[in-house]
Amino acid sequence: EADIYQTPRYLVIGTGKKITLECSQTMGHDKMYWYQQDPGMELHLIHYSYGVNSTEKGDLSSESTVSRIRTEHFPLTLESARPSHTSQYLCASSETGPTNEKLFFGSGTQLSVL
Amino acid sequence: DAKTTQPNSMESNEEEPVHLPCNHSTISGTDYIHWYRQLPSQGPEYVIHGLTSNVNNRMASLAIAEDRKSSTLILHRATLRDAAVYYCILPGDDKIIFGKGTRLHILP
Repeated sequence: EADIYQTPRYLVIGTGKKITLECSQTMGHDKMYWYQQDPGMELHLIHYSYGVNSTEKGDLSSESTVSRIRTEHFPLTLESARPSHTSQYLCASSETGPTNEKLFFGSGTQLSVL
Repeated sequence: DAKTTQPNSMESNEEEPVHLPCNHSTISGTDYIHWYRQLPSQGPEYVIHGLTSNVNNRMASLAIAEDRKSSTLILHRATLRDAAVYYCILPGDDKIIFGKGTRLHILP
């Protein structure tokens, strides 16, 4: 079973606030990902990491930043939240291996910026 | 850009088989084909994956064309709980891009 956790599940916050979305996995996976998804729309990759101290930008430009200080933890930060950041944020992880490992997703954080 | 092409939506009657197609004409020799599905208000979940041979598991079957440029996810007996968006992806070694997927509607 997948053990990847995202907190909070829902977040309503005012414009200009700094927020951090947490993502943790207990599977020892090297690769981790952040996706952004609006209702009824496709997932957009915004950040990914190959392992500790590795962070890369995804296909969708995002004002958020990420860090990977520990294997199990991949937090996403918005320094100054805006209404345009309102969306669902999904974290995922996968192993690194020759069989192109499967992804495990968290339950997501639904962010609403007022 | 997504490396796969899928129909935007499909409909099927309950308790009938469903065949969800995916084209991946630029697939490389080492690319695995993965399928995920996303139920309403949830994150995507893994369904099945394969390289060359057809694959079966408790959720579905995956039929891969001989030239590997297309594949078909088969749900043998659709239920209302199978209504979801189904994604066909080629993870590769780099960033993993999801396309728009196929929204599957199940009619009771």
